[in-house]
Amino acid sequence: GENVGLHLPTLSVQEGDNSIINCAYSNSASDYFIWYKQESGKGPQFIIDIRSNMDKRQGQRVTVLLNKTVKHLSLQIAATQPGDSAVYFCAENIFGGYSTLTFGKGTMLLVSP
Amino acid sequence: NAGVTQTPKFHILKIGQSMTLQCTQDMNHNYMYWYRQDPGMGLKLIYYSVGAGITDKGEVPNGYNVSRSTTEDFPLRLELAAPSQTSVYFCASSLGGGLGNNEQFFGPGTRLTVL
Repeated sequence: GENVGLHLPTLSVQEGDNSIINCAYSNSASDYFIWYKQESGKGPQFIIDIRSNMDKRQGQRVTVLLNKTVKHLSLQIAATQPGDSAVYFCAENIFGGYSTLTFGKGTMLLVSP
Repeated sequence: NAGVTQTPKFHILKIGQSMTLQCTQDMNHNYMYWYRQDPGMGLKLIYYSVGAGITDKGEVPNGYNVSRSTTEDFPLRLELAAPSQTSVYFCASSLGGGLGNNEQFFGPGTRLTVL
């Protein structure tokens, strides 16, 4: 079946490095994507979203890139900080009668000081 | 705004017991959702609601029931609890379901153990 998945389950970086978290999706009909951050013991928190008519979107220290040709999504975090340590999920919006989000498994980002 | 609140935070159930997980949002959102998250996994949609009186099944609805009598509340009912329902349950809400309206705001979760 169609699903959203991630290439790397765990990513370890040094403080100050740039981080790139990847996500593959397989539903070509998906036209809206969201990245969420989940800290330990908390619910997911919205980071940034992107529509399928865009290739790139920037936020504060974060950039999301969308490559529809290969169905790939990435989240770039600049100057990674220890507070960025969390699990990051991508989610796709699949339109049906009502649209809902389908989440991938998540990538754990570990930032060492 | 308190956002999305869930109670209880933790609970232990015995096999075959029933319980209701509570969820309330004060953002006047139309859409509400229930997810479960198993260890090391992503979130799976159990049920969702697009407004008071309207609910629909998600990916994993078996063993659960929901109701939406008000905009604010979306309780999740577990009947005849089974060990497979041990999980962390998240409630979420969004303004709508269309493009630009589907940012979902999550509650802190309920950690449920069925023994």
